[in-house]
Parts: sequence; structure tokens; C-alpha cells
Amino acid sequence: ELKVEQNPLFLSMQEGKNYTIYCNYSTTSDRLYWYRQDPGKSLESLFVLLSNGAVKQEGRLMASLDTKARLSTLHITAAVHDLSATYFCAVDMKPSGTYKYIFGTGTRLKVLA
Amino acid sequence: DVKVTQSSRYLVKRTGEKVFLECVQDMDHENMFWYRQDPGLGLRLIYFSYDVKMKEKGDIPEGYSVSREKKERFSLILESASTNQTSMYLCASSRDSNSPLHFGNGTRLTVT
Repeated sequence: ELKVEQNPLFLSMQEGKNYTIYCNYSTTSDRLYWYRQDPGKSLESLFVLLSNGAVKQEGRLMASLDTKARLSTLHITAAVHDLSATYFCAVDMKPSGTYKYIFGTGTRLKVLA
Repeated sequence: DVKVTQSSRYLVKRTGEKVFLECVQDMDHENMFWYRQDPGLGLRLIYFSYDVKMKEKGDIPEGYSVSREKKERFSLILESASTNQTSMYLCASSRDSNSPLHFGNGTRLTVT
């Protein structure tokens, strides 16, 4: 079964602190995506990771991909309140025929002032 | 910027009704997807399409069907709505398999 697991599911952290969200997936894939969803809104793309060892950074967020370990991390540096949202990872899999995107359950992040 | 437009933001339907959810994208994307989002379950793939008139089942296709008569439009159909189909439905498109999904704003469907 194709599975994408995120942890933690909920994360409450103080402003200024660092933390990492983990995304594990169960089958071979070279492509992983991170999305952000604000309450009541749709998902927006944050990072596209297309190869083993890929690292992308945008502001206080940095994403990396280890395809051998089937693991991606989203690292938050010096969190600020504006980062409060739900973060999803998604893996692009090709079980048969065409590609499809499978999502993790999401990590709800709350940054406390 | 890619725009993915879902025809309704909120819908309330009765059990047994036939329901149509429409999605249109304006960037000539090949691939289109329908997901449902439920608390604690993340996004689950219902159906997707990689070309006009082509469709593939996702992980939870039961009780749903789709139609893609034109490249820009992907419709999700609930043949006979049931209360367990109350959910947020998200449509998305992508240019190719190396590209992220672009999502619509979602349709919150309530079946009573």
C-alpha cells in the first residue's frame, strides 16, 4: 500500500524556536512536494524536490529530500506567528500507468507569540 | 499565474440527489485531479485525468464518477449523494509529473 506519513500531526511552538517536520513515504519516488494551507483556504505550493539530496529554502523554511531513506524534512528556523498553518507533503508515485500525487495527513503548526 | 476555478464554494444537497462539482483551469494543463479533504485524513485522491476523455481511479473512487470532455474542465459527479460524502472537495491541475499541483479554492459539500 502506498503511504505517506507525516509527524508530528500537531505542533505548537514558541516564536523564535526551531523545529522539523518529517515526511516518510513507502515506495520509490524521486519527487516530493510541500504545500501550505491556511485555515479556510486552499493549498499553495511551497517546495518542489526532484532528486535525492535536493534542498530548497524560502525564508525561514528549508526542505530536503533523501530518496534512499524515503524521507523528507521541513525545517523551521526561528519561527514566527505568520508560519502558523497546516503543512502537507505529497509524493508523486507511479504505481501503474500514470503518475498520481499521494498526500500525507498534514502537520498543523501553531506558533505562539 | 495558473487559475483553477471551482464553480461553487458551498453546496448543500439532499441524500440521493445527483451532484455535479465543476472545475476549470486556464493554463492548458494535461493533468487534473479531484481530492476530498477530511479532518485527520488529509487529502485523499478520488479520480484523476491525464488527458481529455481519459480518467483513472484514485484511492477512494466508490460513489463518484468523473467527466473530462474538454482539456480545461474536469467534473466530479456524485451519482446518489450520501451523508458520508459530506466533505471539502479540492480540484487541482498540473502541467506534468515534475510540477506541483495548483489547487482551486475548494467546494464544501454538505449532504443532509
